[in-house]
Amino acid sequence: DIQMTQSPSSLSASVGDRVTITCRANEGIKNNLSWYQKKPGEAPKRLIYTAYHLQSGVPSRFSGSGYGTVFTLTISSLQPEDFATYYCLQHSGYPWTFGQGTKVEIK
Amino acid sequence: EVQLVESGGGLAQPGRSLRLSCAASGFTFDDYTMHWVRQAPGKGLEWVSGISWNSRAIGYADSVKGRFTTSRDNAKNSLYLQMSSLRPDDTALYYCVKASRDQQLEGYDYWGQGTQVTVSS
Repeated sequence: DIQMTQSPSSLSASVGDRVTITCRANEGIKNNLSWYQKKPGEAPKRLIYTAYHLQSGVPSRFSGSGYGTVFTLTISSLQPEDFATYYCLQHSGYPWTFGQGTKVEIK
Repeated sequence: EVQLVESGGGLAQPGRSLRLSCAASGFTFDDYTMHWVRQAPGKGLEWVSGISWNSRAIGYADSVKGRFTTSRDNAKNSLYLQMSSLRPDDTALYYCVKASRDQQLEGYDYWGQGTQVTVSS
């Protein structure tokens, strides 16, 4: 099974900061990866698909990159509404697996 | 507008069974693979199961394999999760999730609001 290791598990940042979250797969998954934002009491929301395609309606401060085993989600200038937990998801084959999540908190 | 509405959650004793349902609307249900994802209290998201449009390909997480069964009724635009031999660590909010047309490349595009399952004596 493919394991996804996401880091960091949490971070504290200020509004305007650049934030980078990394997911590593234990075997190559090409670009079969997406990123989701989860806020308490809400359903997850897709931000990025196919590793780097921005979901329609998602602000351009979000971007994704990577291929194979290492992927990153970057928020170029953190906004108040971005404080949430972020997850990567590999969908290269069953079983699908999420990263452990990264909680982005206000410094 | 795509809508996914889960139901069937509740309190169950360990070892008992529960059946979740998901009513889908706003898209051509039998064109898409559907999934179940759960989130235990204070924990991250966990993929549970996925079922292809024609029910020929079904996958399960190791944690539920042999205990949970996913099915669908395309005539009723509905997805189901039959949960048996429930354990306390199955306690979670269960989401019904729609995969994108090319699910391998794109993952999920729509999520329901979830139904809560609590397993406790």
